[in-house]
Amino acid sequence: DQQVKQNSPSLSVQEGRISILNCDYTNSMFDYFLWYKKYPAEGPTFLISISSIKDKNEDGRFTVFLNKSAKHLSLHIVPSQPGDSAVYFCAASARSNFGNEKLTFGTGTRLTIIP
Amino acid sequence: DGGITQSPKYLFRKEGQNVTLSCEQNLNHDAMYWYRQDPGQGLRLIYYSQIVNDFQKGDIAEGYSVSREKKESFPLTVTSAQKNPTAFYLCASSIVGGTEAFFGQGTRLTVV
Repeated sequence: DQQVKQNSPSLSVQEGRISILNCDYTNSMFDYFLWYKKYPAEGPTFLISISSIKDKNEDGRFTVFLNKSAKHLSLHIVPSQPGDSAVYFCAASARSNFGNEKLTFGTGTRLTIIP
Repeated sequence: DGGITQSPKYLFRKEGQNVTLSCEQNLNHDAMYWYRQDPGQGLRLIYYSQIVNDFQKGDIAEGYSVSREKKESFPLTVTSAQKNPTAFYLCASSIVGGTEAFFGQGTRLTVV
């Protein structure tokens, strides 16, 4: 049962435009959400996160929006740059008890920025 | 420099052999994790450890074993019982209760 879903396996966006990556989750216990960026043959690197007490978090060109009622979050990248071409993973955490934290990852969306 | 080191980057083994993947971190993190990535799939959790000498099974622990004798080290053994061992393996660490995980560069294991 995939608790974190990224329904678009790939996305192509022209350089300078906005990239919007979507993520849906089913577990209502999730209260912290993260986006990771991954280049081929490398480990993912943390990009941005959001707590369930917020509905928006912004860091430079990257903004994450959280809609708790819809169990949906999205990552906006604006303007998109060629270096943004990578696979983006959405991840969620349910920090119910101390020591029980782990991340549940989505299947990833491959973003390609077209020059 | 602080970080997580996985070795080797590429590993080839014959079917039926056990193989151990190394993961070392100098971030002083208590929690460490092993994930597996297959083409077109997300990262799936194999094992995790929140403290030395203790570890928990993740979603796909069958055919794998781990140890956590030192805070800095969390080696993963892929045993001959693992039916599809060829994959990209990622090790990560975090502070317990932390908000992000730090990943190593991964080990690509190919079993022939």
